[in-house]
Amino acid sequence: QVQLVESGGGLVKPGGSLRLSCAASGFTFSDYYMSWVRQAPGKGLEWVSYLGGSGGTIYYADSVKGRFTVSRDNAKNSLSLQMNSLRAEDTAVYYCARWSVYRDDFSYYYMDVWGKGTTVTVSS
Amino acid sequence: DIQMTQSPSSLSASVGDRVTITCRASQSINNYLNWYQQKPGKAPKLLIYAASNLQSGVPSRFSGSGSGTDFTLTISSLQPEDFATYYCQQSYNTPPLTFGGGTKVEIK
Repeated sequence: QVQLVESGGGLVKPGGSLRLSCAASGFTFSDYYMSWVRQAPGKGLEWVSYLGGSGGTIYYADSVKGRFTVSRDNAKNSLSLQMNSLRAEDTAVYYCARWSVYRDDFSYYYMDVWGKGTTVTVSS
Repeated sequence: DIQMTQSPSSLSASVGDRVTITCRASQSINNYLNWYQQKPGKAPKLLIYAASNLQSGVPSRFSGSGSGTDFTLTISSLQPEDFATYYCQQSYNTPPLTFGGGTKVEIK
């Protein structure tokens, strides 16, 4: 079945680095845009990054630009998020999500498949 | 950036009630609006895309409406499994992709 499984979360000190991974299965991974979305404890959802199927289109939220790098390996059906210079405010559950599109006169994008998330805690 | 404002931020309702949640965009987003449901400790789940299209497998008691800046998610008859937090999200002008602050639906 269609599935996303995140891994790589953990406890890291401020200024440290962490690499998250998302393993995809059950669909043609390279056909889809993918996103990272995070949720700080007790807070709402915050978009972090997305990238296109070939990896050529990449965008970041201002809050992580210059510190986080998203990438994908379509041969391995894998999405990654390299997080550097981590701050306490990066503490959150990180979800990877698949973008799908609905087309009529226009193209409407939405996140229809989500992983269960991986927890990142930045603390000394 | 487009700001998404949900109201109310929380509500209390009983099983069987009709529940309406509103989402307002800071500028017109046509109908580039999605709704998600999130239960505690779980990932978000897509309910509605393109403002009014029900995602496959989602019960028909959920419906979405609106266009431009004002949108509504309606649960026609609240069920026990519907107690959760609901988020709207715009996909009109990205990046950034923006979510509303969420509406928590609690048991009365």
